[in-house]
Amino acid sequence: QQQVKQSPQSLIVQKGGISIINCAYENTAFDYFPWYQQFPGKGPALLIAIRPDVSEKKEGRFTISFNKSAKQFSLHIMDSQPGDSATYFCAAIPREGSARQLTFGSGTQLTVLP
Amino acid sequence: DGGITQSPKYLFRKEGQNVTLSCEQNLNHDAMYWYRQDPGQGLRLIYYSQIVNDFQKGDIAEGYSVSREKKESFPLTVTSAQKNPTAFYLCASTRDAGTEQYFGPGTRLTVT
Repeated sequence: QQQVKQSPQSLIVQKGGISIINCAYENTAFDYFPWYQQFPGKGPALLIAIRPDVSEKKEGRFTISFNKSAKQFSLHIMDSQPGDSATYFCAAIPREGSARQLTFGSGTQLTVLP
Repeated sequence: DGGITQSPKYLFRKEGQNVTLSCEQNLNHDAMYWYRQDPGQGLRLIYYSQIVNDFQKGDIAEGYSVSREKKESFPLTVTSAQKNPTAFYLCASTRDAGTEQYFGPGTRLTVT
């Protein structure tokens, strides 16, 4: 059972445009939501993370928007650059007490055209 | 430098052979994880360990085995019982429950 649904599967954006990747979850026990960036042949690297008591978090060109009532969160990449071309994974971590840790979305392959 | 190391980066084996992938971390993290990633796919959890000498199966543990004799090390053995072992294997660690995981650079295993 997929607990974190991520869309779109792939995304093509022009340089300077805004890239938007969406994730939705069902398990209300999730309370920490990191995003990872993965380049081909490399391990995923933590990009930015948010807790549900915050509706938005911004770090440079990367912003997470969180809608707790809809159980949805999204990653916005402003002024997208060709170097942002990578696969992005959203993830969710449950509250204390669960041993299972991270649940990943299925990933979005982003291509930023020069 | 603190981090997670995986070796080797590329590994080739013949079908029917067991192979062990190395994962070492010097972050003093308690929990460690092994994931499998197939081309164009997400990450699937194989095994995880929250403390030394203890580990639990993930979603796809069949055909794999692990050990956790030291806090810093969490090797993964891909046995001949794994039907389709060719994949990209990722090791991760985390300080404690409820925090994000940090990943190693991965090992690409090819079995022919």
